[in-house]
Amino acid sequence: LAKTTQPISMDSYEGQEVNITCSHNNIATNDYITWYQQFPSQGPRFIIQGYKTKVTNEVASLFIPADRKSSTLSLPRVSLSDTAVYYCLVGDWSGRRALTFGSGTRLQVQP
Amino acid sequence: SAVISQKPSRDICQRGTSLTIQCQVDSQVTMMFWYRQQPGQSLTLIATANQGSEATYESGFVIDKFPISRPNLTFSTLTVSNMSPEDSSIYLCSVEDHLGGPLYGYTFGSGTRLTVV
Repeated sequence: LAKTTQPISMDSYEGQEVNITCSHNNIATNDYITWYQQFPSQGPRFIIQGYKTKVTNEVASLFIPADRKSSTLSLPRVSLSDTAVYYCLVGDWSGRRALTFGSGTRLQVQP
Repeated sequence: SAVISQKPSRDICQRGTSLTIQCQVDSQVTMMFWYRQQPGQSLTLIATANQGSEATYESGFVIDKFPISRPNLTFSTLTVSNMSPEDSSIYLCSVEDHLGGPLYGYTFGSGTRLTVV
């Protein structure tokens, strides 16, 4: 599985756009990029997944450049409830392998 | 997506005792995964449980300490045996969710917060 590197922590204010970048230099051809969100006292929750270019859903956008060696999770207009740990994972899970979590990015949103 | 019920949500146990954590899924799934999350840390995979076969354990985790049962396609248990304070963690189960096409996500239970005293 490709190793990922992301910032340990980030701070933001309500209403701002937050961009969390993840590096994955040794991503493989069949790998997808997936982001999970974990609130305190809860299990991680799937946010978004992509392979290349841009993916958008009701929660976030995921930007993946052509070389796919990094990706950026974009959270528009964050609120206090977006305070959580965000994990970037890279892999090919069609073979039903378990997720391998890195350290994640702890996002703190201030009022 | 799948819905997971994990019990108990928390417990305080005496050292030397054992605790069994239950994970119930609302749909049939082939594989279930058990994770441990130590305070302030990321998640670490303990084992993968397939129905009808022995669980596969990750390095550093052994069956005698963390026996797992998988009696059917919707249920699994993880037992933390002969507990010590170092076993104080959150334990989570997870199942695969097929999102369509090549996309796969995973759904997690809300976790069991274990404190060993």
